[in-house]
Amino acid sequence: EDQVTQSPEALRLQEGESSSLNCSYTVSGLRGLFWYRQDPGKGPEFLFTLYSAGEEKEKERLKATLTKKESFLHITAPKPEDSATYLCAVAAGGTSYGKLTFGQGTILTVHP
Amino acid sequence: EPEVTQTPSHQVTQMGQEVILRCVPISNHLYFYWYRQILGQKVEFLVSFYNNEISEKSEIFDDQFSVERPDGSNFTLKIRSTKLEDSAMYFCASSPPRQRQSGSGANVLTFGAGSRLTVL
Repeated sequence: EDQVTQSPEALRLQEGESSSLNCSYTVSGLRGLFWYRQDPGKGPEFLFTLYSAGEEKEKERLKATLTKKESFLHITAPKPEDSATYLCAVAAGGTSYGKLTFGQGTILTVHP
Repeated sequence: EPEVTQTPSHQVTQMGQEVILRCVPISNHLYFYWYRQILGQKVEFLVSFYNNEISEKSEIFDDQFSVERPDGSNFTLKIRSTKLEDSAMYFCASSPPRQRQSGSGANVLTFGAGSRLTVL
């Protein structure tokens, strides 16, 4: 069974204090690993897709990296508007196109 | 920017009633999905739909649930005889025609804002 575990469950940072979120996964044949951002009462908003170990992607203050067992979402000099729940999800081989298994998310709060 | 639109944003129903949640996917997308998120829990896959038929469904998606694309724009989730445990946020998602990405075959889902279902 595919599993995705995110840590920590919650993270409180001061504005400008860089940190990383972790996503550990167990999947049979990774098709892709996805990072989404979710604001309260909203749907997940796409951030990144990573397909193979060693791959990295960046967008503004966010950088996602991937190894064979985990992914990190690095947040550099965060701002209060980065506060949200960050979701990690995997697409596994042998499943239908677009079936994602999600982690429980990391709730990030950035204080001014 | 194109978006997935869901209606209603919130529906309250009595246990045993039928509800229909509606979605308008992004116009050039070919793959459609329903996910749900019970309060405080993970986002869970319910069903994927392509070429007018179900591609895959989860264990949650039993005979109580059905999906339909009644016309060229709408995608619906019907829940028959609702139960208390059906209370959740239901997300519709869509994705474009399949693309080659390093041979992975995975593509990006765009989610709607969700429909909150409350069963009393």
